[in-house]
Amino acid sequence: AQSVTQPDIHITVSEGASLELRCNYSYGATPYLFWYVQSPGQGLQLLLKYFSGDTLVQGIKGFEAEFKRSQSSFNLRKPSVHWSDAAEYFCAVAPMNRDDKIIFGKGTRLHILP
Amino acid sequence: SQTIHQWPATLVQPVGSPLSLECTVEGTSNPNLYWYRQAAGRGLQLLFYSVGIGQISSEVPQNLSASRPQDRQFILSSKKLLLSDSGFYLCAWSVWTSNEQFFGPGTRLTVL
Repeated sequence: AQSVTQPDIHITVSEGASLELRCNYSYGATPYLFWYVQSPGQGLQLLLKYFSGDTLVQGIKGFEAEFKRSQSSFNLRKPSVHWSDAAEYFCAVAPMNRDDKIIFGKGTRLHILP
Repeated sequence: SQTIHQWPATLVQPVGSPLSLECTVEGTSNPNLYWYRQAAGRGLQLLFYSVGIGQISSEVPQNLSASRPQDRQFILSSKKLLLSDSGFYLCAWSVWTSNEQFFGPGTRLTVL
């Protein structure tokens, strides 16, 4: 069955430290891949997406993600986090056809220490 | 540009009362529309999706229903709310079912 796993429910990092949020997926073929961010009480905002081509994808707010086919992973990274990055982050995958829907991971809550 | 609206932003309802949440999209035609629910600490649960007017697919059997009376309007309803219906309800749209989805601001529903 198709699935998305975000193994870390909560992550705490200090402001200015680097960040990596993990995402692994299970699919028959390479899917479309997404990262979303949700601030408390708000909707989800797309950070970045991977459809094809360069496996290192740049997104908004200084985030990037790397698609690794051999590991079925799409980890999100940021070299230096800011207090405003505290939020919940969702990885999502979708098959490369029009008949199936996006599947979201359960999310990782990011806490920032001052 | 495209925008998506949801209302109300917050709602407090007694158990057994009816529910109607509305979602509208501007700036696009024939979008795919979705209703999700977030319960505390439980991620996103897809409730309904629609690929066109009057076409509704239900993902989870429950006391909720959805309707799409117009191309860019999606309504979530219930005849009798349960305590377990409390949560954060998100509407989203996409150009096609596997492309990125764009989310509304959400409705916080508390059932007492």
